[in-house]
Amino acid sequence: RKEVEQDPGPFNVPEGATVAFNCTYSNSASQSFFWYRQDCRKEPKLLMSVYSSGNEDGRFTAQLNRASQYISLLIRDSKLSDSATYLCVVNTGYGNKLVFGAGTILRVKS
Amino acid sequence: GAVVSQHPSWVICKSGTSVKIECRSLDFQATTMFWYRQFPKQSLMLMATSNEGSKATYEQGVEKDKFLINHASLTLSTLTVTSAHPEDSSFYICSASPGVSPNYGYTFGSGTRLTVV
Repeated sequence: RKEVEQDPGPFNVPEGATVAFNCTYSNSASQSFFWYRQDCRKEPKLLMSVYSSGNEDGRFTAQLNRASQYISLLIRDSKLSDSATYLCVVNTGYGNKLVFGAGTILRVKS
Repeated sequence: GAVVSQHPSWVICKSGTSVKIECRSLDFQATTMFWYRQFPKQSLMLMATSNEGSKATYEQGVEKDKFLINHASLTLSTLTVTSAHPEDSSFYICSASPGVSPNYGYTFGSGTRLTVV
């Protein structure tokens, strides 16, 4: 089983749609969680950290369920510019190493 | 915000030659930097952890004699791909964090696309 698993997609959605991505992680001792965005042939960029209480940043909402070892990202009112690969990332706490999911591809179309 | 600069952005080299990639933290000190490799349509895979002033820690399956890492200062880590072969062609990315807590996000360099011909 992979340490971090994501549905690879692609998710093809129209502009204005709401889309949700899920991610599961296997190490129950993992300490911190992030969503990163990666555009084609570019480096990953931090989208947001994920907290147990849930956190929101504009159109983006992230949620963490430690009991189920499950992380989610909700994007409301999708824009064309949201098209990218979204990476679920977990810091297991061992040497502060990050473990990356394979990514979920989002394509927003007009 | 924290900025990590990586050079070169892309490089084409002949099989058997060596290539050096630099990673600099511009506005913070990084005692630890991480080197990743990403093949097409795959996720980032951690290659090694670069520690300032000491030896790098390599992940299982990564040849330390082939991928030489030097972290001589708090702002610079280098990765040298020695005797490169076509199968080493990949996207190499470094990252660092301005904070020591695992709750800090990491900033990535812009990556180096290596093509070995």
